[in-house]
Amino acid sequence: NAGVTQTPKFRVLKTGQSMTLLCAQDMNHEYMYWYRQDPGMGLRLIHYSVGEGTTAKGEVPDGYNVSRLKKQNFLLGLESAAPSQTSVYFCASSQLAVVRSGANVLTFGAGSRLTVL
Amino acid sequence: GIQVEQSPPDLILQEGANSTLRCNFSDSVNNLQWFHQNPWGQLINLFYIPSGTKQNGRLSATTVATERYSLLYISSSQTTDSGVYFCAVDPPDYGQNFVFGPGTRLSVLP
Repeated sequence: NAGVTQTPKFRVLKTGQSMTLLCAQDMNHEYMYWYRQDPGMGLRLIHYSVGEGTTAKGEVPDGYNVSRLKKQNFLLGLESAAPSQTSVYFCASSQLAVVRSGANVLTFGAGSRLTVL
Repeated sequence: GIQVEQSPPDLILQEGANSTLRCNFSDSVNNLQWFHQNPWGQLINLFYIPSGTKQNGRLSATTVATERYSLLYISSSQTTDSGVYFCAVDPPDYGQNFVFGPGTRLSVLP
């Protein structure tokens, strides 16, 4: 059981280039999330999705776009990368609304390290 | 918005020692989770604990929601416990998402 898979694991971009991070989950989870992790700041929510075809902004959405065309996939796009977007990106998923049931917990992918020069 | 603090920021232990990690939050929350990020970066859920006490092997957690804190206890620490421990809370005004604390970095020495 693969769980949550992120691709690519590493990427180096030049300022102004674009790229897409792919998150795939095989647990039939409804909710999916993209977080970024920066030193000393924990994880911050970029965008999330409560189901196929829906997306919503999180805490730090500027400079990113997302799409959820299929239930199992959640894509994070950078249209014009900036050095401030150098970070480790984590995708997560959960079965239902994370906080509405004690049975629901976040399952994370392994992370994608992005460097923007 | 809600503030989440964790203490201590760094902790170094000898193998076999016990430790207590603390998470304080500034407002009421619906729920709280503890995560362990291992040295390879993988994030693993440890506890989903909005209130009360839970135990899982050498680890246990207690959340006192009315006083806005949670504690994670690690007993008889092992080198494999090394990594960063995060608490994450769900405030009522943040949709259905978690706010993460800055983490406690634990190093267990052999």
